[in-house]
Amino acid sequence: RKEVEQDPGPFNVPEGATVAFNCTYSNSASQSFFWYRQDCRKEPKLLMSVYSSGNEDGRFTAQLNRASQYISLLIRDSKLSDSATYLCVVNSDSNYQLIWGAGTKLIIKP
Amino acid sequence: EAQVTQNPRYLITVTGKKLTVTCSQNMNHEYMSWYRQDPGLGLRQIYYSMNVEVTDKGDVPEGYKVSRKEKRNFPLILESPSPNQTSLYFCASSLLPLVAGGFDTQYFGPGTRLTVL
Repeated sequence: RKEVEQDPGPFNVPEGATVAFNCTYSNSASQSFFWYRQDCRKEPKLLMSVYSSGNEDGRFTAQLNRASQYISLLIRDSKLSDSATYLCVVNSDSNYQLIWGAGTKLIIKP
Repeated sequence: EAQVTQNPRYLITVTGKKLTVTCSQNMNHEYMSWYRQDPGLGLRQIYYSMNVEVTDKGDVPEGYKVSRKEKRNFPLILESPSPNQTSLYFCASSLLPLVAGGFDTQYFGPGTRLTVL
C-alpha cells in the first residue's frame, strides 16, 4: 500500500459544479497535511493547509478525518481556471520528510 | 521578489557525463529539498537539508549527490547520469519544521527537465 494515495482521475466536471476528492494516508501519526495545485509542467503551489477542525478558503474547503485517515478537498462553483492536478501531501513520522500523492487531475469543462 | 531559482531549465545530456543542477533561494529558508517527478509516481524526495552542512537522504538518493555550503544554495549533482534519471526535477525550500510534523509552505523552483540519452 502506498503511503499517500489519490484517485488519479481525470475528473471531468462542468463549470459551476461542485467537485470533491479524497486522499488516504497510511501513517496514523502524521501531523502536517496540505493540498497543492500543479498546473501542467509547472511547479506545485500551496493551495491550502488542512487543519484538524477543517478549514475553508473561498470556494475551497479542506477536511481531515483522522479516524479513517483521509483528507478531502471540496471545490464549489468550479471555474475553468480550477483545471489542474491537485496533490495531497502528508508528513512522514520518522524523519523530516513530506510524502506526496501522485495527484488527482481535474478538468473543468465549459 | 521571493523566489527559488533553478538552472538549467532544460538539459539533454549523455550517459556518464557529470552534471550539476543549481538551486538558489532568497527567502533565508533553512529547509531545502530536491524532488523528481515521474508520470504516475508523484513527487519523490531525493535529498533534503535542514541547514548548512546538514543533508540527509530522501526516498530515492541513489545516483545523486548534494551539498549545502551556503544557506541559499543547494546544488544537485549527478556524477554519472543514466537514462533512468530522465525526469522533471524540482528544488523546494521552506522554513525549518520545528518538529517532524511542523512543516510550513514549500516554495518550489520552476523545475528542470532532464533527458539522459
